[in-house]
Amino acid sequence: KQEVTQIPAALSVPEGENLVLNCSFTDSAIYNLQWFRQDPGKGLTSLLLIQSSQREQTSGRLNASLDKSSGRSTLYIAASQPGDSATYLCAARSNSGYALNFGKGTSLLVTP
Amino acid sequence: KAGVTQTPRYLIKTRGQQVTLSCSPISGHRSVSWYQQTPGQGLQFLFEYFSETQRNKGNFPGRFSGRQFSNSRSEMNVSTLELGDSALYLCASSLAGGPRFINEQFFGPGTRLTVL
Repeated sequence: KQEVTQIPAALSVPEGENLVLNCSFTDSAIYNLQWFRQDPGKGLTSLLLIQSSQREQTSGRLNASLDKSSGRSTLYIAASQPGDSATYLCAARSNSGYALNFGKGTSLLVTP
Repeated sequence: KAGVTQTPRYLIKTRGQQVTLSCSPISGHRSVSWYQQTPGQGLQFLFEYFSETQRNKGNFPGRFSGRQFSNSRSEMNVSTLELGDSALYLCASSLAGGPRFINEQFFGPGTRLTVL
């Protein structure tokens, strides 16, 4: 069973800092990996999707990388803003399944 | 293009009752998945439907069931509610079937179920 871990569980940074969120997974037979953002009491917003054949994806100030051999993905947020404050979730889909396996998330607070 | 919609947004039920939640996927999406989110367990997969067929099921008791209609709308039902069923229930849709497709999943706002 695919296990996904996110470190750190919580992070507080001042506005303007660049930051990295980490995600690790146990089954390297990964089909794709998706990063989401969740605001309190809300649903999930898809940020980036990386296919297993890709090494990274970029969208605006966000860059996600994937290293299947080490079972790791990182989400890089450049020039953080208070509006980036949310919980960030990483989810991996294995080759054998249809379900997304989620980490517990990293709660990010960006202070003005 | 409208996103994934879920109704109702909030529900309060008592133990032993049953509940039905509804999900309308993004137009053209044929795959619908359901997830339960709780503070302790995080997000856990319930089941996934494609073309009215359940293709995969998570590790939940038989009290949790679902179905998908020909227009891809989906419902999930929980019978004999327990206190531990209190959670945010999220529905996600994706364009195509099978794990061999680029299946970016888009989530709805969720239904907050409280069991008293």
